[in-house]
Amino acid sequence: GNSVTQMEGPVTLSEEAFLTINCTYTATGYPSLFWYVQYPGEGLQLLLKATKADDKGSNKGFEATYRKETTSFHLEKGSVQVSDSAVYFCALSDRYGGSQGNLIFGKGTKLSVKP
Amino acid sequence: NAGVTQTPKFRVLKTGQSMTLLCAQDMNHEYMYWYRQDPGMGLRLIHYSVGEGTTAKGEVPDGYNVSRLKKQNFLLGLESAAPSQTSVYFCASSTREWPYEQYFGPGTRLTVT
Repeated sequence: GNSVTQMEGPVTLSEEAFLTINCTYTATGYPSLFWYVQYPGEGLQLLLKATKADDKGSNKGFEATYRKETTSFHLEKGSVQVSDSAVYFCALSDRYGGSQGNLIFGKGTKLSVKP
Repeated sequence: NAGVTQTPKFRVLKTGQSMTLLCAQDMNHEYMYWYRQDPGMGLRLIHYSVGEGTTAKGEVPDGYNVSRLKKQNFLLGLESAAPSQTSVYFCASSTREWPYEQYFGPGTRLTVT
């Protein structure tokens, strides 16, 4: 079946440090890949997405590239800010998986950025 | 637009009590979903709906029922609450167009004692 594995947290960085959160997936079909962010006390917000191999999703300085050969979708940001402190979820949606649009989530990675 | 709203924001139940969580969306989305979020578990799908009058089971449906009488509303019911249902519940909606980008509500924190 489909699954998403992302790096365990928590991750603590200093402001302006480089961020990588690893995400790998297993899918039987042709998934789309997503990164969602959850700020404290809030719901999830879509951060970026990629719908086919070699696509790069980007938003707010974050980037992730859909790598089919390594089944990965790692999240990166060149210079994190305190305001980036949140929980980040990698997720996939399998177009032909039979349950329309259902997202399979990783367990989440908590990021804390210190000033 | 309000997007996706959830009612209530917080609730405490005693074991065996019942309650209904309401989700409403104003984006005219066809698809709606209920998830639960537990520490270290990510989000898991409880039930979903692909249109008015239709519902389907997700990964963890036991102990929950749902109804989609109106396109904009998706209700999640707990008939007899159990402590294992203590969780944060999120509703989401999406269009029926690939890649089904989902928009989430702010969540309902439920505690069952």
